[in-house]
Amino acid sequence: SQQGEEDPQALSIQEGENATMNCSYKTSINNLQWYRQNSGRGLVHLILIRSNEREKHSGRLRVTLDTSKKSSSLLITASRAADTASYFCATDGAGSYQLTFGKGTKLSVIP
Amino acid sequence: DAGVIQSPRHEVTEMGQEVTLRCKPISGHNSLFWYRQTMMRGLELLIYFNNNVPIDDSGMPEDRFSAKMPNASFSTLKIQPSEPRDSAVYFCASSLAGTETQYFGPGTRLLVL
Repeated sequence: SQQGEEDPQALSIQEGENATMNCSYKTSINNLQWYRQNSGRGLVHLILIRSNEREKHSGRLRVTLDTSKKSSSLLITASRAADTASYFCATDGAGSYQLTFGKGTKLSVIP
Repeated sequence: DAGVIQSPRHEVTEMGQEVTLRCKPISGHNSLFWYRQTMMRGLELLIYFNNNVPIDDSGMPEDRFSAKMPNASFSTLKIQPSEPRDSAVYFCASSLAGTETQYFGPGTRLLVL
């Protein structure tokens, strides 16, 4: 079964608005990563947050991690049409090399 | 840096034929991963190599799938014989260490008729 589950499955917003995507997972992790996939392309790494971190920023991205709730959120501020893509969270099991990906949130940013 | 290179980008074949997908990881990366992506099952890890050695192939669907990494700069994923249910996008990814950032190739879109 999937370790990470993103919510919502699809999100449509106007350009300039903020987009928030959530990820829940089931077992202990060392870190959690977010990736973006544009249509027809490979996944691109966005940000990694370790299990002892609670919040991390990178440009217009803000990621939070709540290990007690086994959940993470990705916030994209001031969205742009170019942010239109699918966003995946990926978790590794504690002591494991393997990344397990959720099924993603499909974000559409309308100009 | 050219990134992870995969070939072919698209492959259309008939059921029963052998299919070979190729991957060149980023130079210096010592971990290589093969994934399969479908609408129904999402992104699934098929096999993981570390320093050219297969570490975990538990994700390989069945004996029709095999993967090799003869050297640090080349890996293949072979399906023989192929079946329509193998139709998917196959990604190769590499990283410096097993659990850190993975760098994905553009994928091979496989259609088995």
